[in-house]
Amino acid sequence: NAGVTQTPKFQVLKTGQSMTLQCAQDMNHNSMYWYRQDPGMGLRLIYYSASEGTTDKGEVPNGYNVSRLNKREFSLRLESAAPSQTSVYFCASSVIRAGNTIYFGEGSWLTVV
Amino acid sequence: TQLLEQSPQFLSIQEGENLTVYCNSSSVFSSLQWYRQEPGEGPVLLVTVVTGGEVKKLKRLTFQFGDARKDSSLHITAAQPGDTGLYLCAGVGHLRGAQKLVFGQGTRLTINP
Repeated sequence: NAGVTQTPKFQVLKTGQSMTLQCAQDMNHNSMYWYRQDPGMGLRLIYYSASEGTTDKGEVPNGYNVSRLNKREFSLRLESAAPSQTSVYFCASSVIRAGNTIYFGEGSWLTVV
Repeated sequence: TQLLEQSPQFLSIQEGENLTVYCNSSSVFSSLQWYRQEPGEGPVLLVTVVTGGEVKKLKRLTFQFGDARKDSSLHITAAQPGDTGLYLCAGVGHLRGAQKLVFGQGTRLTINP
């Protein structure tokens, strides 16, 4: 069972470069999320998509854009990477009803130099 | 802004000892979740507590939700090296059509053989 799959696993970028993190889920979930995890700060929500065709800002959206390509796929784009965006990024998905399980991918380690 | 404070942030104990991790907030949540995260992986849901005062047990792990639904605790009895990992609490709320999770900073637990 694949669950939530993220690519790439590791990436090093130079300041100013752009890149897209890809995410796909095979659980037929409506909602998808992008989080970042930094030491001592837990996970913070960047953007989310409640359903296909909709996207909304989370807690820390600045410097990022997202695309909900279809029900399965939700990508995160860094248009001009900055060192402050060095982090571990997690994609997640869930059914809509609150309190249900949110399933996380394995994470993407991004370093911006 | 809703905040969740976890304590302690780091805990290193010997195998066989008991421990308690606390998760506190000034906000009320509809439910609270506990996750465990191992190196190189995403968080995995352990439990969801919904009702104030609720106690749930998962083998040697006991989870409690405060009466006012603002705080929670995780108690591990007779800790084992396999319990080593990052434990995260998350308050559950609502976004437009999706789930809102507010994460604590995490407790990094090390159980020494």
